[in-house]
Amino acid sequence: EPEVTQTPSHQVTQMGQEVILRCVPISNHLYFYWYRQILGQKVEFLVSFYNNEISEKSEIFDDQFSVERPDGSNFTLKIRSTKLEDSAMYFCASRGGGGKGEQYFGPGTRLTVT
Amino acid sequence: DAKTTQPPSMDCAEGRAANLPCNHSTISGNEYVYWYRQIHSQGPQYIIHGLKNNETNEMASLIITEDRKSSTLILPHATLRDTAVYYCIVTRSTGANSKLTFGKGITLSVRP
Repeated sequence: EPEVTQTPSHQVTQMGQEVILRCVPISNHLYFYWYRQILGQKVEFLVSFYNNEISEKSEIFDDQFSVERPDGSNFTLKIRSTKLEDSAMYFCASRGGGGKGEQYFGPGTRLTVT
Repeated sequence: DAKTTQPPSMDCAEGRAANLPCNHSTISGNEYVYWYRQIHSQGPQYIIHGLKNNETNEMASLIITEDRKSSTLILPHATLRDTAVYYCIVTRSTGANSKLTFGKGITLSVRP
């Protein structure tokens, strides 16, 4: 069964460094998402992406964040200058078209900013 | 998106049915009810969704009241592996902006 994959599973970085989190969505899906979950808190929407552009973003998704689909398979989230409060699990999700509303999530990347 | 209300926790015995309630009294006509679950710190997992009719798949059944103001997710024979946080989410199904807004969910504990 196709699934969303994410790499790395755990990333440790120092404050101020740039990180890129990678996702490979399900191959025929059209809509892509990033969510994050700070330890012990709710899953929060960051951004949605469709047709090679951002369709919606939350207040969390400020100028330090960017997303890209550099080729036909990868979907990346870049944090330009990490802060301590960026430490969280980051989940990528994808959704098919044709009225199929369910999103399929990857296993997540645990980002630790020290 | 309409807000949902779920009790914080419940438990059930292994092998018995688990009935997880959700209130969504402000749901609008074009919004669907989705259920996801999150086992420990894994990525949320899609379970089932519906608009107004009851739905069943290999994982669960979804019962939506006629006025659509509440629903119940039924796991017919709960196992220990069903212990998780279950989220009831109301959202439009289609469109690029169909983000999911997660609440605190209901923590289901399945006991042996």
